[in-house]
Amino acid sequence: KNEVEQSPQNLTAQEGEFITINCSYSVGISALHWLQQHPGGGIVSLFMLSSGKKKHGRLIATINIQEKHSSLHITASHPRDSAVYICAVIPSKEGGSEKLVFGKGTKLTVNP
Amino acid sequence: DAGVIQSPRHEVTEMGQEVTLRCKPISGHDYLFWYRQTMMRGLELLIYFNNNVPIDDSGMPEDRFSAKMPNASFSTLKIQPSEPRDSAVYFCASSFLVPYEQFFGPGTRLTVL
Repeated sequence: KNEVEQSPQNLTAQEGEFITINCSYSVGISALHWLQQHPGGGIVSLFMLSSGKKKHGRLIATINIQEKHSSLHITASHPRDSAVYICAVIPSKEGGSEKLVFGKGTKLTVNP
Repeated sequence: DAGVIQSPRHEVTEMGQEVTLRCKPISGHDYLFWYRQTMMRGLELLIYFNNNVPIDDSGMPEDRFSAKMPNASFSTLKIQPSEPRDSAVYFCASSFLVPYEQFFGPGTRLTVL
């Protein structure tokens, strides 16, 4: 079983729709990342969070530490949001290393 | 800042050949990470360095893979001998102080025939 599970694996939406991508993890963490990978392959860090909520433009990321769950929301989606969104966690450093553990990603396609 | 620089961007080689991938992290960053991405397994950490010292290489698949960081501005990932199953996109990333907000390079697409 993967330590980080994302859902859905694939998501198709119409322009303007509100989108939610979910991430669940099974280990204690010190932080969680949301990454975006565009069709060209480049990877960009969107958010790093360890509690609560963060907002950047039309993107909102939330995390519930007790439930071991995070969501990435996109409001008023646009075709340029089409990408793979990857959730990654840093397990709590109790003698462990500081390395990211990745989910398999959610492929989002927004149609005009 | 030019961001993380990787070279080459594409590499096609034949099985058994040595492959060397290169990475220049963002100036001032003290963490450097090598990742591999495949369709089947997604993104996987291979190794990471802090202040040029390898910290965790548990993700390196086998002895055919080796990585070095001779100074703060350069790292290499070498595969010798290469095999078709090594075909993947290899990303380098760097970060400052704590290994949280990572900046990724454009990746090297490796094809081993």
